[in-house]
Amino acid sequence: SQTIHQWPATLVQPVGSPLSLECTVEGTSNPNLYWYRQAAGRGLQLLFYSVGIGQISSEVPQNLSASRPQDRQFILSSKKLLLSDSGFYLCAWSPNLNTEAFFGQGTRLTVV
Amino acid sequence: KQEVTQIPAALSVPEGENLVLNCSFTDSAIYNLQWFRQDPGKGLTSLLLIQSSQREQTSGRLNASLDKSSGRSTLYIAASQPGDSATYLCAVGNRDDKIIFGKGTRLHILP
Repeated sequence: SQTIHQWPATLVQPVGSPLSLECTVEGTSNPNLYWYRQAAGRGLQLLFYSVGIGQISSEVPQNLSASRPQDRQFILSSKKLLLSDSGFYLCAWSPNLNTEAFFGQGTRLTVV
Repeated sequence: KQEVTQIPAALSVPEGENLVLNCSFTDSAIYNLQWFRQDPGKGLTSLLLIQSSQREQTSGRLNASLDKSSGRSTLYIAASQPGDSATYLCAVGNRDDKIIFGKGTRLHILP
């Protein structure tokens, strides 16, 4: 069966520090991968999505970047965090657009 | 640009009542529509997936309908229970590979 792993669960980082959040999927190949952010009291904002290795689409200009170094690995990064980067980050995958999307348990990021 | 709207933003109903949550989307060129549940501080749990060619899907006390031409979906919850309290999110799978979410409906079932 397929599983998605996202870590860490919580993270407190100072302003200006770097960020690396990792998401991996097991039990499938060539999944669509997604990064979302959920700010307090707001909906899920699509940050990045990828339909294959090295194929990254960015939804909004921001302080973040994403990479897909392996088929089932999706990494969200920042060189210098801002206070406004605080939020709940969720990784998701789907086999293709005609099927369900499955989510990781999320990372609560607090930038102080 | 696809926009997804969920109404109401929050809802409180007594236990045992049936209820309907609404979702609308602006671009009908979708692959599917999915309803999720989110408990506070947690990830998302998939409830129901409706393909663009389908009209409805059922799982237990949940029934989701889709009217793609009018850009609407509803999630019907029968005989609500306190354990149903959560935020319910609607998401559309676009033909440009994106999955776009509404802001959700916060549901509170009163014991």
